[in-house]
Amino acid sequence: QLQLQESGSGLVKPSQTLSLTCAVSGGSISSGDYSWSWIRQPPGKGLEWMGYIYYRGTTYYNPSLKSRVTISIDKSKNQFSLKLSSVTAADTAVYYCAREVLGSGSFDHWGQGTLVTVSS
Amino acid sequence: DIQLTQSPSFLSASVGDRVTITCRASQGISSYLAWYQQKPLKAPKLVIYTASTLQSGVPSRFSGSGSGTEFTLTISSLQPEDFATYYCQQLNSFPRSFGQGTKLEI
Repeated sequence: QLQLQESGSGLVKPSQTLSLTCAVSGGSISSGDYSWSWIRQPPGKGLEWMGYIYYRGTTYYNPSLKSRVTISIDKSKNQFSLKLSSVTAADTAVYYCAREVLGSGSFDHWGQGTLVTVSS
Repeated sequence: DIQLTQSPSFLSASVGDRVTITCRASQGISSYLAWYQQKPLKAPKLVIYTASTLQSGVPSRFSGSGSGTEFTLTISSLQPEDFATYYCQQLNSFPRSFGQGTKLEI
């Protein structure tokens, strides 16, 4: 059964870079049938899609995050990662990684989420 | 960017009720719409994809319909475990976007 697990620092200082990794188990991140996304949710608020990566390295980022976000993939470790630079308190959120099934229009598997707090 | 607007934002209902949540897209998205259920402190769970396809393992009391710009999620007979927040999401174009959510309360 496919599982996604986020890991990384839960506390980041303002202006620094947030770094998270999503480990994928029970399936290959190199499958051409899926893409891999990061989605976040500020406390008490709705969901925001941040960006995605395809196994070949193709990425697309939400323009709302401008040039602050970078998503990378490590096929040898079956994981993908998120970096968000110049963080502020507004970046405090639960961060989820998720798998999108290409063509079916859905995120069918999600990680449990990890809370990242931006505070000095 | 495509904006999704859900209505209502809050819905009070009782066990056994039939409820419908609407999601309107700012432009046509064909049938590339999904519905998710989220319970407190949990990740969203896929309920419906491509507007009307029930995700495996989801009870048949859930159904979805619509295409283009207007979509609905219907729960035919509410069960206690259905009380949660529901989000629609479009996967027709980038950036992917979500509705603001509908909180279904007892």
